[in-house]
Amino acid sequence: QLVLTQSPSASASLGASVKLTCTLSSGHSSYAIVWHQQQPEKGPRYLMKLNSDGSHSKGDGIPDRFSGSSSGAERYLTISSLQSEDEADYYCQTWGTGIVFGGGTKLTVL
Amino acid sequence: EVQLVESGGGLVQPGGSLRLSCAASGFTFSNYWMSWVRQAPGKGLEWVATINQDGSEKYYVDSVKGRFTISRDNAKNSLYLQMNSLRAEDTAVYYCERSRYCSGGSCYSTFDHWGQGTLVTVSS
Repeated sequence: QLVLTQSPSASASLGASVKLTCTLSSGHSSYAIVWHQQQPEKGPRYLMKLNSDGSHSKGDGIPDRFSGSSSGAERYLTISSLQSEDEADYYCQTWGTGIVFGGGTKLTVL
Repeated sequence: EVQLVESGGGLVQPGGSLRLSCAASGFTFSNYWMSWVRQAPGKGLEWVATINQDGSEKYYVDSVKGRFTISRDNAKNSLYLQMNSLRAEDTAVYYCERSRYCSGGSCYSTFDHWGQGTLVTVSS
């Protein structure tokens, strides 16, 4: 069964970097995923599509501070030079017989 | 500019019906699969349904099968979700999402644009 696992929460200081993880279930390590950001009281916003080889394509207007990487079944979103507006929920998404979302990671910027 | 604008949400009693719409602009709607995704209050994102570019293929999460119907009108650049036999657990913000691009027999997933959402509240 295709499942995406995310840690419920993460925190980092203003100006620092943070790496969020999305883990694909066993047997699905070749799958691409998509990262979305959801700021408080807003709809989701596409950040990037991330392939198993680490290549990624970002959405229009997404700052260079956002980058993606992959290792095995792990898909990462790294945010550098954290800003207050980066405080948000981050979701990963993939697709198989249907669309699957991770549970989301709530990022707090200290 | 790609825009997706949902409408049709509101308060409905358990067992009632509602039809959501998503008006698309800024891209060739008929080249894209489209999806509905919902978010219950304080919860994460949940896929609801997906339709292919010409409406011939439709996919649903198990919890809405037999109750919800996804459809589209490419002439009107619009996506719909007919929701029947609504339950309290269907209460959520419903988003439309642009899902997959297909042209010339080749397709690739996008999941790159969302609407602002429309709130559906099922309560007596």
